[in-house]
Amino acid sequence: SQTIHQWPATLVQPVGSPLSLECTVEGTSNPNLYWYRQAAGRGLQLLFYSVGIGQISSEVPQNLSASRPQDRQFILSSKKLLLSDSGFYLCAWRRDANYEQYFGPGTRLTVT
Amino acid sequence: DAKTTQPTSMDCAEGRAANLPCNHSTISGNEYVYWYRQIHSQGPQYIIHGLKNNETNEMASLIITEDRKSSTLILPHATLRDTAVYYCIVRVSPRYNNNDMRFGAGTRLTVKP
Repeated sequence: SQTIHQWPATLVQPVGSPLSLECTVEGTSNPNLYWYRQAAGRGLQLLFYSVGIGQISSEVPQNLSASRPQDRQFILSSKKLLLSDSGFYLCAWRRDANYEQYFGPGTRLTVT
Repeated sequence: DAKTTQPTSMDCAEGRAANLPCNHSTISGNEYVYWYRQIHSQGPQYIIHGLKNNETNEMASLIITEDRKSSTLILPHATLRDTAVYYCIVRVSPRYNNNDMRFGAGTRLTVKP
């Protein structure tokens, strides 16, 4: 069966510090991968998605970036965090566009 | 892109059926209706999806109106563990080359003892 991992589970970072969140998927190959952010009490905002290694599409302009160095690895990064970057970050995968999406456990980021 | 409208919140008594409505009046012919839920501090969980016909699985039933402009998710015997935010999503058109899902604010369902 397929499993999706995210780490760390929680993170507290000062403003201006860098960020690296990692997501990996097991049990499938060439998945579509997604990064979402959820601010407190709000819906999910799609940040990035990837249909293959090195292929990244950005949904919103921001100081975040994403990379997909391996087939089942998706990384969310920032060079300098802002207070507004605080939130619950979720990674998700889908076999392809015709299948449902499965979400990881999430990373709760607090920027202080 | 087809948008969805859901009530902000609903209550349901434990053991009773929970009926969560969703309006998607601009849905196009090849767009599916998906339902997810998110329990507090967890990632969203897939529940069910459908195109035209009603669907049922071990978690819920999905009733789609004949004109497809609205749907209802039914949890037949709600439990306290069903308390969550429920998202109704219409899959985005292929022009995004990804058919990803856009999550709105959802309906906060509270199951009460």
